[in-house]
Amino acid sequence: GEDVEQSLFLSVREGDSSVINCTYTDSSSTYLYWYKQEPGAGLQLLTYIFSNMDMKQDQRLTVLLNKKDKHLSLRIADTQTGDSAIYFCAESIRSSNTGKLIFGQGTTLQVKP
Amino acid sequence: EAQVTQNPRYLITVTGKKLTVTCSQNMNHEYMSWYRQDPGLGLRQIYYSMNVEVTDKGDVPEGYKVSRKEKRNFPLILESPSPNQTSLYFCASRTGSNTEAFFGQGTRLTVV
Repeated sequence: GEDVEQSLFLSVREGDSSVINCTYTDSSSTYLYWYKQEPGAGLQLLTYIFSNMDMKQDQRLTVLLNKKDKHLSLRIADTQTGDSAIYFCAESIRSSNTGKLIFGQGTTLQVKP
Repeated sequence: EAQVTQNPRYLITVTGKKLTVTCSQNMNHEYMSWYRQDPGLGLRQIYYSMNVEVTDKGDVPEGYKVSRKEKRNFPLILESPSPNQTSLYFCASRTGSNTEAFFGQGTRLTVV
């Protein structure tokens, strides 16, 4: 089945690292994505990782993929108040021709000054 | 600039009054989708289209219609809106079934 799970809330202090976790069930995922949604705004693609990769780093963002455990994480180094938002992980299924992304429920990141 | 444009951004309507939310993309993408976002549920696909005149149901299609007469446009139609369709709606487009999805800014719909 297709299911993506995330914890709903994370609170960190400014300057700390944030780690947002995600688990998925479909082993035929091809791409896994992290999207950011700021209040009142649309979805912004932050980063993505191919299913045959273990890690991807992009400036303050590090994505780790554990295919065996079907676990994806997003680490934000030196978290800033501007990082406060909802973060969605999403997967794209190899067997699907619908163009559908399967989204998690979203993790609200609160950054305290 | 590559973008997906939805209109309107905000809409308050009454039960039963037909409405259309428009979506247009300028990237010549084949795939387009509509999602609804509800608290604690993430985004769920309503309908999708793989190309002109090719549309199909997603996970939550009840109460919605779509059309794809041109590649760039993919309107979402609510023939008889009900309060349970109060939600935040997103249109998305992709070049293929496994590529980056570009999202519109969202349409916040309230049905009273």
